[in-house]
Amino acid sequence: QSVLTQPPSVSGAPGQRITISCTGSSSNIGAGYDVHWYQQLPGTAPKCVIYGNNNRPSGVPDRFSGSKSGTSASLAITGLQAEDEADYYCQSYDSSLSGSWVFGGGTKVTVL
Amino acid sequence: EVQLVESGGGLVQPGGSLRLSCAASGFSFTSFSMNWVRQAPGKGLEWVSYMGISSGPIFYADSVKGRFTISRDNAKNSLYLQMNSLRDEDTAIYYCARIRTGYYFDSWGQGTLVTVSS
Repeated sequence: QSVLTQPPSVSGAPGQRITISCTGSSSNIGAGYDVHWYQQLPGTAPKCVIYGNNNRPSGVPDRFSGSKSGTSASLAITGLQAEDEADYYCQSYDSSLSGSWVFGGGTKVTVL
Repeated sequence: EVQLVESGGGLVQPGGSLRLSCAASGFSFTSFSMNWVRQAPGKGLEWVSYMGISSGPIFYADSVKGRFTISRDNAKNSLYLQMNSLRDEDTAIYYCARIRTGYYFDSWGQGTLVTVSS
């Protein structure tokens, strides 16, 4: 059971907009800790696509955006492309556990 | 270019030990805190351990506390994970990951597979 909750799967047609939710609690997202998002293509290491709630690392397309409100956060992908098919994980920090970085269970994005 | 290269994975029996290494290059290793993150087959990501710049502070996930030991050698630009009393549930790909201010992992290695099985 992950500390952060994500939907197991989300799908969309090419060109569509999809969103992935990440729900936490008052000891992590709700405590003000930033939310970060990672993309993991099959057989590869995770790659950060959003850091600090809504910032894109260099090289990440502006189709990716993030937001945070209260105890939840969201990752949006606009203009969905076939290459976006991957697993996505949210991540934050939890103050209820000594030095604990926490992840969501992951969301499989399928491009129809 | 930032590079993190893990090694040391393999097949080990339950109760056994293994030492993982992570060789860092392309950045000032002594300026960054480092972590180990693992991923069981077909499962999600799980943070394992953190080590600060000067070998402290150190944190462990409850699932490995008392069995795993993280260390670093700044002269060799290397991070290590000594894993003792291994269990079936420790089977996973282990990633070395650099952490940035704001608590996010901005660079990852390719991972090394640890299989615990009799």
